[in-house]
Amino acid sequence: DAGVIQSPRHEVTEMGQEVTLRCKPISGHDYLFWYRQTMMRGLELLIYFNNNVPIDDSGMPEDRFSAKMPNASFSTLKIQPSEPRDSAVYFCASVDSDSGANVLTFGAGSRLTVL
Amino acid sequence: AQSVAQPEDQVNVAEGNPLTVKCTYSVSGNPYLFWYVQYPNRGLQFLLKYITGDNLVKGSYGFEAEFNKSQTSFHLKKPSALVSDSALYFCAVRDMNRDDKIIFGKGTRLHILP
Repeated sequence: DAGVIQSPRHEVTEMGQEVTLRCKPISGHDYLFWYRQTMMRGLELLIYFNNNVPIDDSGMPEDRFSAKMPNASFSTLKIQPSEPRDSAVYFCASVDSDSGANVLTFGAGSRLTVL
Repeated sequence: AQSVAQPEDQVNVAEGNPLTVKCTYSVSGNPYLFWYVQYPNRGLQFLLKYITGDNLVKGSYGFEAEFNKSQTSFHLKKPSALVSDSALYFCAVRDMNRDDKIIFGKGTRLHILP
């Protein structure tokens, strides 16, 4: 397996633009998590899905943020409109709860810069 | 609500000395505890976990951690530090009695001095 795949790896955009980050989890994993990493706040949980269903989005900072998982192999995190304070590294991670291992596999991250 | 605290932003250790990176947690039920490491410009990599059983767990690269239920701690340790251990370390907790979310601490930057 190629692991968790995220795109784009880097995104530079201007304030007010729409940003879409993409994630392909490991095949067979039933949980998918989106995290945001900043120097000030560390690694924050934004939202997570179980079997494509959003379970908890309480970490999504504002209505400008939305996430979807239309099928088991794809998820998106959208920011509209983007603001400079959204600049961060966004990670997607997946886990197979049935395996009993409970170990997250992380993607390489998407580094977002909003000017 | 569950939470994880890593009280030190940075830890400096001389090469060859033992190292400890601290972690405390709060959950209402039984915790699943994890340590992950992040190297520059990379995603997080799994080091070790505690689910049940022996309180002392061993993981990758010679790291180990001890689960202490009374102190709600899960400190990461290594007997002899290497320069290559320099990285950002994250503690995480999953409360399987309440929900399935996995929460991370803010991270501790470990500097091993040659």
